[in-house]
Order: sequence, then C-alpha cells, then structure tokens
Amino acid sequence: GQQVMQIPQYQHVQEGEDFTTYCNSSTTLSNIQWYKQRPGGHPVFLIQLVKSGEVKKQKRLTFQFGEAKKNSSLHITATQTTDVGTYFCGSSSGGYQKVTFGIGTKLQVIP
Amino acid sequence: GAVVSQHPSWVICKSGTSVKIECRSLDFQATTMFWYRQFPKQSLMLMATSNEGSKATYEQGVEKDKFLINHASLTLSTLTVTSAHPEDSSFYICSAFPGQGDEKLFFGSGTQLSVL
Repeated sequence: GQQVMQIPQYQHVQEGEDFTTYCNSSTTLSNIQWYKQRPGGHPVFLIQLVKSGEVKKQKRLTFQFGEAKKNSSLHITATQTTDVGTYFCGSSSGGYQKVTFGIGTKLQVIP
Repeated sequence: GAVVSQHPSWVICKSGTSVKIECRSLDFQATTMFWYRQFPKQSLMLMATSNEGSKATYEQGVEKDKFLINHASLTLSTLTVTSAHPEDSSFYICSAFPGQGDEKLFFGSGTQLSVL
C-alpha cells in the first residue's frame, strides 16, 4: 500500500454545518478510496477516485482527487446525525488491492 | 453487494490460549483476503495478506508465528492468534475484494478479542 496522512483526527460540528476531511501523500497515488465506519461497525466502501482532478458526488458528499494525485478530500454539506462515524481514506497498490489506510477522521455531529 | 462473513464477533480468552477467527466470502471467490487490526480510536493496520493455496504475506513487525493465517479455499481464510496475551486484545477485521472490475474492499464485521 501507499502511505497516506489524514487530518483532522477529530471533528465536532453542529448539525447543519459542513465538514471536510483531507488525505495527503508525499508520493503520487494510483487511486484513493474512502470508507465510513460507524461506531461499533466495520468500514463500508464509499467511493474510489482514480483520475487526476476527479470530482465525484454522492448526495451531500463531494469527493475530490488532486491534480497531482497526492491529495484528496471528502466534503459533507449540511451534516446530519446519520453522518456520525469515522471516515478513512486509503490507497491501494498491487493487482490484488492491498489498501493502506489513513488514521481516519472521527466526526461527531451535535444535534 | 458482496458479503464477507466473519466469526466470531467477539471472544474472551485466557492468556496463553489460542483463538481462531474465520473469514468467509459468501457470494464470491477470493483468492486474496486481508487481515487488519484496529486498536481503540486508531486506524486499520494491515497485518497480512492471505493468499489461497500459498503462504500469507506479513507486514513488517507482524509475527507470523504469532498470527497464523490459513487460506485453504477460495472462500475461507482463518487467523489464529497463538498463545494470546493481553496486549493482543484488539479488533481484528478481515476484508476481500471480488475482483473482476470491482475494486472496492468488502469488510467482515470484525472480531473483538479480549485476552484476560
């Protein structure tokens, strides 16, 4: 896998506020994947970005992959309590998808 | 979507005993599965890559004699924590990807191991 750094580690937001988590690497990434882990649960795949400058949206979630393919972001618009969880970015290498994860950003949404 | 089943969900054992955790891909064949460990409030740390029909590949710092991995079939990988000690207490989680153009990982539900 390819090393990725993720910030912030924790974020508390008021319900309705926006939230962003960032993922960075010192090397060019072949791809970036985002997962969400609810408290007590297991990670669930959200999306994969592959192309330079790629932007994908899933309802209130917007994912971006940097032009240099060294950074990525996940932005949530108007957070809801259902968004609570830890968001992990990861990058895979090798033909069999060995994924190395960032430390994760734990999101708390205050009602 | 693809389903990965992991068993047991939690286990409590005495120090010095061995614990086996099973990971099954229910609706797809997985020549490769991955085992992760997650300590509280920390990230998922890749322990090893389990390869069907061959030896597992361990990440640096992971003791292969301590964490035995067997991938005897295309749908089953097992992780055995041998001679468990309290410091081995953690959340262990397996994952696999169906391949064939599907590049996302599917995770099992995890196993919370507590060693007394």
